[in-house]
Amino acid sequence: DSGVTQTPKHLITATGQRVTLRCSPRSGDLSVYWYQQSLDQGLQFLIHYYNGEERAKGNILERFSAQQFPDLHSELNLSSLELGDSALYFCASSVKGNSPLHFGNGTRLTVT
Amino acid sequence: AQKVTQAQTEISVVEKEDVTLDCVYETRDTTYYLFWYKQPPSGELVFLIRRNSFDEQNEISGRYSWNFQKSTSSFNFTITASQVVDSAVYFCALSEEGNAGNNRKLIWGLGTSLAVNP
Repeated sequence: DSGVTQTPKHLITATGQRVTLRCSPRSGDLSVYWYQQSLDQGLQFLIHYYNGEERAKGNILERFSAQQFPDLHSELNLSSLELGDSALYFCASSVKGNSPLHFGNGTRLTVT
Repeated sequence: AQKVTQAQTEISVVEKEDVTLDCVYETRDTTYYLFWYKQPPSGELVFLIRRNSFDEQNEISGRYSWNFQKSTSSFNFTITASQVVDSAVYFCALSEEGNAGNNRKLIWGLGTSLAVNP
């Protein structure tokens, strides 16, 4: 058990809808990262938060947004969903910049 | 540009065979980190090892060993006496250094799917 909790495990929704994925980092970890894993693109970095502040953005679409709250949990919001957004979304946390990432079990999103 | 290449898409071996998973990386940074992660069929990503660019010593952990060679930009992973439980997708990843040291994003290879058959 990595100590990172992601909910829900599975999400099935229709195109055009909006969903929120939630992540609780390991106790003591200030950094939260979001990754998308799809069959054709592999693992893609989306965004990084550190202690509530956005620190780095990757290949995150404008339809996607995220935030990290004062209690350090993070949410990833995906809107105007398209079929191509179907993927496994991982949250990871770390103590500091180059510490190993500890991943949650992921949220599998299926857009129909 | 930073890039990680895992040329082997799928490998199939019989239990007890040794197997090496290749990882070749490209980076312009002088300071960087390399990682290996395992993704078993259950889906979670499990951290295996981190190596920084200044430490070229090989590492052994039980049946796992890693060979880091800066001269060839490679960070290969060997499983000795493979077991069925080693069946998973293995990812190699490269860490970029951000300005503040707290900015980091991993550049991932596409993974090597290892099947260990009884």
